[in-house]
Amino acid sequence: AQSVTQLGSHVSVSEGALVLLRCNYSSSVPPYLFWYVQYPNQGLQLLLKYTSAATLVKGINGFEAEFKKSETSFHLTKPSAHMSDAAEYFCAVSALNSGGYQKVTFGTGTKLQVIP
Amino acid sequence: NAGVTQTPKFQVLKTGQSMTLQCAQDMNHEYMSWYRQDPGMGLRLIHYSVGAGITDQGEVPNGYNVSRSTTEDFPLRLLSAAPSQTSVYFCASSQLNEQYFGPGTRLTVT
Repeated sequence: AQSVTQLGSHVSVSEGALVLLRCNYSSSVPPYLFWYVQYPNQGLQLLLKYTSAATLVKGINGFEAEFKKSETSFHLTKPSAHMSDAAEYFCAVSALNSGGYQKVTFGTGTKLQVIP
Repeated sequence: NAGVTQTPKFQVLKTGQSMTLQCAQDMNHEYMSWYRQDPGMGLRLIHYSVGAGITDQGEVPNGYNVSRSTTEDFPLRLLSAAPSQTSVYFCASSQLNEQYFGPGTRLTVT
């Protein structure tokens, strides 16, 4: 079984401040981990993914995330928030299930508000 | 490449009506999935397919049917719509664990 927990359904930061969105996962097999972003009335876009190579993963738009196995975490960060970062962010875990399918489980999402 | 396309973008149904949400992809991906998105619940997997002719249930399959006759198309059928199926539906295709999402269909059942 696998699961994802995103701490904080809403996060507010000032423009220029650090963005930190938290994600903890559980998985019985080595997982792949993802962050997706969803802008209003749009589908999800991949921000970055961890696939067991480097533990620090850089994504688009200046975001990065660090895989910490000991903490079962995959937190998303960005040094300086921009107004265009306001969106909903989803953490997801993917692992091979018994049927040979990479099952993906999404967190419940964190809405990021950027205050001018 | 159009990527993943979904039609319609919006739909209003009455309770008991049936309809099909269309999904197509032009990336030749074997894996395709349907999700529903509800406030505070993230995305939940309805059905998925690992290739033409092969489908399986996700975590919330009740009230929905799927088929996969071609690699490109993966329609989702609502057999008898219920207000609990009011949601935003996303289709996705995937390769190498990376999912590509369509723009979504916003469905309201009254």
